[in-house]
Amino acid sequence: AQKVTQAQTEISVVEKEDVTLDCVYETRDTTYYLFWYKQPPSGELVFLIRRNSFDEQNEISGRYSWNFQKSTSSFNFTITASQVVDSAVYFCALSEAGSPGGSEKLVFGKGTKLTVNP
Amino acid sequence: EAQVTQNPRYLITVTGKKLTVTCSQNMNHEYMSWYRQDPGLGLRQIYYSMNVEVTDKGDVPEGYKVSRKEKRNFPLILESPSPNQTSLYFCASSFAGQAYNEQFFGPGTRLTVL
Repeated sequence: AQKVTQAQTEISVVEKEDVTLDCVYETRDTTYYLFWYKQPPSGELVFLIRRNSFDEQNEISGRYSWNFQKSTSSFNFTITASQVVDSAVYFCALSEAGSPGGSEKLVFGKGTKLTVNP
Repeated sequence: EAQVTQNPRYLITVTGKKLTVTCSQNMNHEYMSWYRQDPGLGLRQIYYSMNVEVTDKGDVPEGYKVSRKEKRNFPLILESPSPNQTSLYFCASSFAGQAYNEQFFGPGTRLTVL
């Protein structure tokens, strides 16, 4: 069964620190997709990134980077030089091509609340 | 502007009083779904729809109904709300058929059932 685990419930850092949010997933499918979403205090869900199971190349976008390792079933998210505006809840999610709930269905982790203090 | 809209954004109601949360998208997406978000539980899928007149249960469908009479609309119906349905609800849409399709989320509806 598909499952996403975000073991860190809350993380608090001081501005300019680097922080890594962990995500571990379980799936029986060979074709799947991993996502990260940001939920700022205003409540909306903001799409950050999507990776497919055949592409383990790490990705960097500004201060954000993602490390995808199939060997450990992990898709970790690092924020470099964190800023107060990074304070949010971050969700990791998984979709599977062969999901009985439709390949579009997202299975979310429970989220990690990140607080960046000035 | 491509978007998913939900109404109302905030709702306080009482146990047993039927309510409907509307969801509409303007991107001609086939797939639409509803999620609820609860503290410590993340988001869980309630119902989904692959296209007009095609709906199915997600992981937590009890106490909810949906309909898909038009492609753009996917209302969530609570026939007899109870306090355990107090939650933050999100509607989402995407093109169907591929797991990589990005889901577009509405702004959320915060429901409180007293």
